[in-house]
Amino acid sequence: EAGVAQSPRYKIIEKRQSVAFWCNPISGHATLYWYQQILGQGPKLLIQFQNNGVVDDSQLPKDRFSAERLKGVDSTLKIQPAKLEDSAVYLCASSRTAYEQYFGPGTRLTVT
Amino acid sequence: DQQVKQNSPSLSVQEGRISILNCDYTNSMFDYFLWYKKYPAEGPTFLISISSIKDKNEDGRFTVFLNKSAKHLSLHIVPSQPGDSAVYFCAASALTYGQNFVFGPGTRLSVLP
Repeated sequence: EAGVAQSPRYKIIEKRQSVAFWCNPISGHATLYWYQQILGQGPKLLIQFQNNGVVDDSQLPKDRFSAERLKGVDSTLKIQPAKLEDSAVYLCASSRTAYEQYFGPGTRLTVT
Repeated sequence: DQQVKQNSPSLSVQEGRISILNCDYTNSMFDYFLWYKKYPAEGPTFLISISSIKDKNEDGRFTVFLNKSAKHLSLHIVPSQPGDSAVYFCAASALTYGQNFVFGPGTRLSVLP
C-alpha cells in the first residue's frame, strides 16, 4: 500500500510571496489532515477534511491560508501572502478511522 | 495553553537498557492516546496507542502505561536499540466527543551503542 505523498519536499520563498503544497492520501482514506509543525513543537492541526468537506478548520489562519480537497482525494494547501513565521514543516496525514493517522514526509517551508 | 506536555526535550540511553518517555496532559476529557516516532526528514510514524479504559498496552518492545488519576502516560522501550533514536510525540484526543488529536512537543531519544 502506497503511503501519503507530498510535494514539494522543500520550498524557499520570500515573504509576501505565495506557495502551494500538494498531498495525495492513502487510497481509500476518507479523512485528510493538514498540520503545521514549527521547529521544536509538535504538529498543530490546520484543517481536517472528510471526503471533500471541511470538518475542522478552527486553527487555520483564514486570512492567508486556504485549502481544498477536490473530488475527495488530493488536497492542496496554499499560503498567500507568506510571513516569516510561516516557516515550518507542513505535514499531510490521512486516515480510515479516528484511531490513527498516517503521515506523509512533509514539506519544509522556509520564508526569508 | 499546552494540553499535552512532554517535559523532557531529550533523553539519552545506553543500548540494551530501558527507555522511558513521559507525557502529561491537562484535559480530563482525553480518552485516547497515541505515540508517534519521527526520524529526520520523514513524517511521524504511528507506534502504539492506548484507550482510557486500559492502563497498559504492549506491542513487542514497546509498552505504554496510562495513569488517568495523574493524567500521565509513559512509553517504555525495552531493550533500547540504536534504531530507536528518533523524536517521540505523544498525542491525545477526546475521541468520544469527536475531537482531534493534540500533540506534545516531542522528546528526542538517543540510544548510544
